[in-house]
Amino acid sequence: GAGVSQSPSNKVTEKGKDVELRCDPISGHTALYWYRQRLGQGLEFLIYFQGNSAPDKSGLPSDRFSAERTGESVSTLTIQRTQQEDSAVYLCASSPKTLNYGYTFGSGTRLTVV
Amino acid sequence: AQRVTQPEKLLSVFKGAPVELKCNYSYSGSPELFWYVQYSRQRLQLLLRHISRESIKGFTADLNKGETSFHLKKPFAQEEDSAMYYCALIGGGKLIFGQGTELSVKP
Repeated sequence: GAGVSQSPSNKVTEKGKDVELRCDPISGHTALYWYRQRLGQGLEFLIYFQGNSAPDKSGLPSDRFSAERTGESVSTLTIQRTQQEDSAVYLCASSPKTLNYGYTFGSGTRLTVV
Repeated sequence: AQRVTQPEKLLSVFKGAPVELKCNYSYSGSPELFWYVQYSRQRLQLLLRHISRESIKGFTADLNKGETSFHLKKPFAQEEDSAMYYCALIGGGKLIFGQGTELSVKP
């Protein structure tokens, strides 16, 4: 597509429920990244996928968080048994194999856990 | 450890005044650095890259390896420059971001 698309744009869920967030990267971008942005804080790296290589999961905060990517297309970030501290904006970005031009970001999913 | 530090959470200036948003980094080797900007209700977007040595919207940033800094500067701030600004570097195949600085330009 023309840009990075994320859905839903907003999600309100009850504590303890599972949620799935979706990211559709720019066509042809081999790399896809997930970040978390809590209110008043910076961007916290979660996970990234590069082509068919094993993903870098080093930023996932707990085993409640997981992500999948199908080839070089759509990715889903799943948060199980959501907690209130999971409330944040979840940002997805994609890039070509080299990062010389940085990322292109999606508009994010605002997750609120009540 | 690879790290980006933006010491100011909020910077407030008057229109027409010079502005400098500070960014310091920790990196072994030659870093590749970026500035990203997020205007209200818009997505994060690339402002400039140090390797291109470009000026975008009047902003410039110079890499100072001695001081490990990549400060963002503009000689005359405009109200439309009000936004969140993030400094970032490439580390471990991904971008490592600073905490961000909110720039507020008052009329």
